[in-house]
Amino acid sequence: GAGVSQSPSNKVTEKGKDVELRCDPISGHTALYWYRQSLGQGLEFLIYFQGNSAPDKSGLPSDRFSAERTGGSVSTLTIQRTQQEDSAVYLCASSLEDRPSTDTQYFGPGTRLTVL
Amino acid sequence: SQQGEEDPQALSIQEGENATMNCSYKTSINNLQWYRQNSGRGLVHLILIRSNEREKHSGRLRVTLDTSKKSSSLLITASRAADTASYFCATVTGAQKLVFGQGTRLTINP
Repeated sequence: GAGVSQSPSNKVTEKGKDVELRCDPISGHTALYWYRQSLGQGLEFLIYFQGNSAPDKSGLPSDRFSAERTGGSVSTLTIQRTQQEDSAVYLCASSLEDRPSTDTQYFGPGTRLTVL
Repeated sequence: SQQGEEDPQALSIQEGENATMNCSYKTSINNLQWYRQNSGRGLVHLILIRSNEREKHSGRLRVTLDTSKKSSSLLITASRAADTASYFCATVTGAQKLVFGQGTRLTINP
């Protein structure tokens, strides 16, 4: 079946602009995660959605970052007033259900964001 | 913040040799997972080991977990050129998010 898909694959924007990154999880997966990978910080967690529960936003680096998940499926990560330090690869993952002892997270190919 | 530290940061071996990578972490975990990443993009899940397991095999991969030492190792046997990639360990604690180590860059020389 289809894996996790993300769009766009690459995004170049100017400092101060807003960007939206999209993630389509694997069909039927109830949990969705956003991570960021940058040279200075490695791979870091941003936000996590599970079903109808309130999202875990503990990893969002600032209030310029927000995410939503509509209809329990597609998710959009929005970065407002982008800064150069936001340049990174943004990775989305989904998992079947919320069982930390056994769940495998499946990752999309990522969106490479470059802020000029 | 990073939970794990990986060792070595980079490893270069000849094709056919075995590669061993180590991961240490700081807090108690539910499970530990290893991922492979090619060309700085998508992560591919390799293997998951639960906190009550000590060793797990999958093909040419062998993972060990020592919760008393808070460490894990990934062994790739009979390495191939296609194994060239970055390898990350990630832990799952009470929360569901993955906390990654810094990764090991593995290069297999033909």
